[in-house]
Amino acid sequence: AQSVTQLGSHVSVSEGALVLLRCNYSSSVPPYLFWYVQYPNQGLQLLLKYTSAATLVKGINGFEAEFKKSETSFHLTKPSAHMSDAAEYFCAVSEGGTASKLTFGTGTRLQVTL
Amino acid sequence: DVKVTQSSRYLVKRTGEKVFLECVQDMDHENMFWYRQDPGLGLRLIYFSYDVKMKEKGDIPEGYSVSREKKERFSLILESASTNQTSMYLCASSLRPGLAGLTGRYEQFFGPGTRLTVL
Repeated sequence: AQSVTQLGSHVSVSEGALVLLRCNYSSSVPPYLFWYVQYPNQGLQLLLKYTSAATLVKGINGFEAEFKKSETSFHLTKPSAHMSDAAEYFCAVSEGGTASKLTFGTGTRLQVTL
Repeated sequence: DVKVTQSSRYLVKRTGEKVFLECVQDMDHENMFWYRQDPGLGLRLIYFSYDVKMKEKGDIPEGYSVSREKKERFSLILESASTNQTSMYLCASSLRPGLAGLTGRYEQFFGPGTRLTVL
């Protein structure tokens, strides 16, 4: 069975500082990996995805993530935080199959301070 | 762009009522999903469907049922609402794996959510 662990339910950074949100996964087959963002009272929006091509994946709003098979990690980074990045972030893993189900982590709420 | 819509953004119901949550997608996706989202628990899969009239249980199906009579519409039904079903409900859709492989679009697309309160 697949699973996702997001370390840190809350992360606080200063505006302009590096953002690092951690995600570790377990999967019995080569996984597809996703990061989603959720702004208050909205649904989830795809930030980026890894689907077995390049291991360094660039997404929207300046975010990127690196797939590291040896560490079973897919951490999300952004060089310089902006106030508008304040939101909840979810990492998810899929093992494909008929319906390509996703297993989500419990989420990390990012706070950006002045 | 894919659009997934949900019938209500906010809903208040009483214990014991039958509740219908509707989801419609406009991109001809085969797969549709219902999740509930609770603080500290992330998203948990309730039911999913990979074709019309097909449904499978997710991780927490108890107290829920679903209906998929048309490809674009997936309904979640709470037969007798209880207070522990107060939550945010999210619908999603995606391409079937074969098409996803051709297009590279493996992701799920989400609706805006329905915040349900059961009193």
